[in-house]
Amino acid sequence: GESVGLHLPTLSVQEGDNSIINCAYSNSASDYFIWYKQESGKGPQFIIDIRSNMDKRQGQRVTVLLNKTVKHLSLQIAATQPGDSAVYFCAEILTGGGNKLTFGTGTQLKVEL
Amino acid sequence: NAGVTQTPKFRILKIGQSMTLQCTQDMNHNYMYWYRQDPGMGLKLIYYSVGAGITDKGEVPNGYNVSRSTTEDFPLRLELAAPSQTSVYFCASSMNRDLKETQYFGPGTRLLVL
Repeated sequence: GESVGLHLPTLSVQEGDNSIINCAYSNSASDYFIWYKQESGKGPQFIIDIRSNMDKRQGQRVTVLLNKTVKHLSLQIAATQPGDSAVYFCAEILTGGGNKLTFGTGTQLKVEL
Repeated sequence: NAGVTQTPKFRILKIGQSMTLQCTQDMNHNYMYWYRQDPGMGLKLIYYSVGAGITDKGEVPNGYNVSRSTTEDFPLRLELAAPSQTSVYFCASSMNRDLKETQYFGPGTRLLVL
């Protein structure tokens, strides 16, 4: 079946370094992708999104890259800060009704001082 | 705006008991969703609603029911609680089906079924 998954369950980075979180998706029909950040005990928080007709989108300290050829999505966080420590989920939109999201498993980002 | 609010924050149920998880949003969003999140896992869609009076099943609807009598409220009902329903439940809402609209999540309800 279709699925969205992450390559690495845990990522540890030094404060100030750049972080790259990866995601693989298998549904070629998906046309919209979102990255969410979830801090402990809280609900997911929207970070950035990208449409399938784009290859790159930048936000504040974050960049999402989409490679449709290999069905790969990545989230880059520049100058990682302790406050970036959280679980990051990628999600794809399955069009056809309801704006339904399919979430990946998640990657735990740990920022070391 | 308070955004998306959920009650209760935490609940312990015995097997076979029933309960309703409440979800309210004050953003006048048409779309509302219920997800469950098991430990270390992503969110799975239980039910969703595209507007008052309209609901539809998501990926894991068995054991749950929903209703949408108003735009603001989207309660999730567990009729016969089972240990497999131990999870964190998140409610979310979005304005419409425009893909530019993001989903806003509530703080979650932690449910433990013993």
